[in-house]
Amino acid sequence: GDSVTQMEGPVTLSEEAFLTINCTYTATGYPSLFWYVQYPGEGLQLLLKATKADDKGSNKGFEATYRKETTSFHLEKGSVQVSDSAVYFCALSGNQGGKLIFGQGTELSVKP
Amino acid sequence: DAGVTQSPTHLIKTRGQQVTLRCSPKSGHDTVSWYQQALGQGPQFIFQYYEEEERQRGNFPDRFSGHQFPNYSSELNVNALLLGDSALYLCASSVAPGRDEKLFFGSGTQLSVL
Repeated sequence: GDSVTQMEGPVTLSEEAFLTINCTYTATGYPSLFWYVQYPGEGLQLLLKATKADDKGSNKGFEATYRKETTSFHLEKGSVQVSDSAVYFCALSGNQGGKLIFGQGTELSVKP
Repeated sequence: DAGVTQSPTHLIKTRGQQVTLRCSPKSGHDTVSWYQQALGQGPQFIFQYYEEEERQRGNFPDRFSGHQFPNYSSELNVNALLLGDSALYLCASSVAPGRDEKLFFGSGTQLSVL
């Protein structure tokens, strides 16, 4: 079945460092891909999405490109801030629609 | 504009009991999905409700059931609780059940089964 694999955390970075969180997927057909973020004590929030190959999703300085050839959707940010500390989830939505399949999450901690 | 609201925020039950969790979707949304998030894991899809019917279901046993009301709010019921049912239960709503629809999540109900 469909699945999502993320790099394990926690990831600890200094403020203004470059961030990459790897995400790869397995799916039949052409899924839509998402990154969600979960701040402490809050629900998940959509960070960005891409619905077809070579699409780039972006929001709040974060970017991810839908790479069909490598079945990947890596999250990047050029300069992280302390306020970016959270758990990041990669997810896909397949042909069944509406059902999100999540990776296990990657905890990011940014130190001043 | 209130977002997705869930109640209660925390709940403690014992094995074999039954529990009901509640969710009110974001204003203007008619589709509700439920997810189970075990500690340190990503959310797992339980089921989705649209037009008061269960539209999709994940790999959860029949002990997990739900309902959607005419005002689009929803309940998740779990019978014969097991220790392994301890988790954060998340409700998400959207304007429609399509795969590219943006989901808005509530803060969840933390269920502990003793």
